[in-house]
Amino acid sequence: EAQVTQNPRYLITVTGKKLTVTCSQNMNHEYMSWYRQDPGLGLRQIYYSMNVEVTDKGDVPEGYKVSRKEKRNFPLILESPSPNQTSLYFCASSLSFTGELFFGEGSRLTVL
Amino acid sequence: RKEVEQDPGPFNVPEGATVAFNCTYSNSASQSFFWYRQDCRKEPKLLMSVYSSGNEDGRFTAQLNRASQYISLLIRDSKLSDSATYLCVVNGGTASKLTFGTGTRLQVTL
Repeated sequence: EAQVTQNPRYLITVTGKKLTVTCSQNMNHEYMSWYRQDPGLGLRQIYYSMNVEVTDKGDVPEGYKVSRKEKRNFPLILESPSPNQTSLYFCASSLSFTGELFFGEGSRLTVL
Repeated sequence: RKEVEQDPGPFNVPEGATVAFNCTYSNSASQSFFWYRQDCRKEPKLLMSVYSSGNEDGRFTAQLNRASQYISLLIRDSKLSDSATYLCVVNGGTASKLTFGTGTRLQVTL
C-alpha cells in the first residue's frame, strides 16, 4: 500500500530534550516536505526537499533541522524543543512536485 | 494581506443543499491551485486540482478566476460525509512553494 509513515504519532516531551520525528514514503517520490498545523494559522511549511541531499527552508524553519540521506526518508529533528513547538506535524511527499501531496497521518507533539 | 485567504466558516447546511466556498490569493504569478479536504485531526487529502477551464468531479465543481484572483469550490447535493474542512492550496509561483489557506469548515446536518 502506497503511504507516508510518520513516527511517533503522539509524543509528550520536555523543553530541551532532543527528539526526532521520522518520515518514510514507499512511493519513490522525489519531493518531501514537513508542515506544522496550528489553530487559526493553517498548515505552514517548515522544510522541504526536492531530492536526496537537497533540502531548503520553508516558512517557519527556526528550531528545526532535517536531512535527506535516502530518497524514502526525511526525518525532522528538534535539537532543543520549546513549548512554542507544540503542534501537529505532517510529513508529505509528491512524485515531482505536481502539487498533489500525499500526507502522513500526523504527529502530535507536546513540549512541556 | 495573507497569501491565501479563506472564510473559516463554519458553513452549516442541510443535507441536499448546494454550498460554495471561495478562496482568494495574492500572488498573481501563482500557477497551480488545489482543494484539499481535511477531516477532524486527520491528514489533508487532495480533493481536486483547479484548472483554468474549471473542472468537475461528480458533485464537486472547482473554478478559477485569474482576473479577480480567486478560486471556488461548489458542492451540490451535500452529504453528511462531506462534513470536513476544505483547504485552498496555491502554488506561489515557484516550483517548491505551496501555500495553504487556513480552511473553511463545512458541517452538513440532517
